[in-house]
Amino acid sequence: RKEVEQDPGPFNVPEGATVAFNCTYSNSASQSFFWYRQDCRKEPKLLMSVYSSGNEDGRFTAQLNRASQYISLLIRDSKLSDSATYLCVVIVGTGGGNKLTFGTGTQLKVEL
Amino acid sequence: NAGVMQNPRHLVRRRGQEARLRCSPVKGHSHVYWYRQLPEEGLKFMVYLQKENIIDESGMPKERFSAEFPKEGPSILRIQQVVRGDSAAYFCASSPPRRQGYNSPLHFGNGTRLTVT
Repeated sequence: RKEVEQDPGPFNVPEGATVAFNCTYSNSASQSFFWYRQDCRKEPKLLMSVYSSGNEDGRFTAQLNRASQYISLLIRDSKLSDSATYLCVVIVGTGGGNKLTFGTGTQLKVEL
Repeated sequence: NAGVMQNPRHLVRRRGQEARLRCSPVKGHSHVYWYRQLPEEGLKFMVYLQKENIIDESGMPKERFSAEFPKEGPSILRIQQVVRGDSAAYFCASSPPRRQGYNSPLHFGNGTRLTVT
């Protein structure tokens, strides 16, 4: 079983739609959680951290369910510029450095 | 403030040659991480270094690959006798000294795309 699993997509949605991505992780010792965004052939960029209480940043909302080992990302009012691959990322433990474990990503295509 | 700088952006090597990838961390950062992204795959951890020390190399192939982060100068990822399967994007990230019990996300350089012909 992969450490971090995501539906690869692609998710093709019209502009203005709401879209949700899910991610599961296998290691219950995972301590920190993030969503990154990666545009084609570019470096991954931090989108937002994910907290147990849930957190929101503009049109983006992230949720964490530790009991189910599940992370989600909700994008409201999708823009064409949101088209990218969204990477679910975890850090296991707190003693081993900031070693990130990436999912393979979910591809989003926002269309006119 | 400059972010993580990687060079070259693109590197072409013939099979059997050596590839050297350089990563200059953010000023003041003493920790460097290398990741590899094969075509159509996710990012995989390779190695974590502090100045002059390798902390975790659990993701590094046992042969042909080595990494260093000297006291002065950039971190170097070295691949000897490259093969076509080494063709990938190699990303580097850096972080300041960690606070025990605290994890922070990483910010990546723009990567080196290695093509082995």
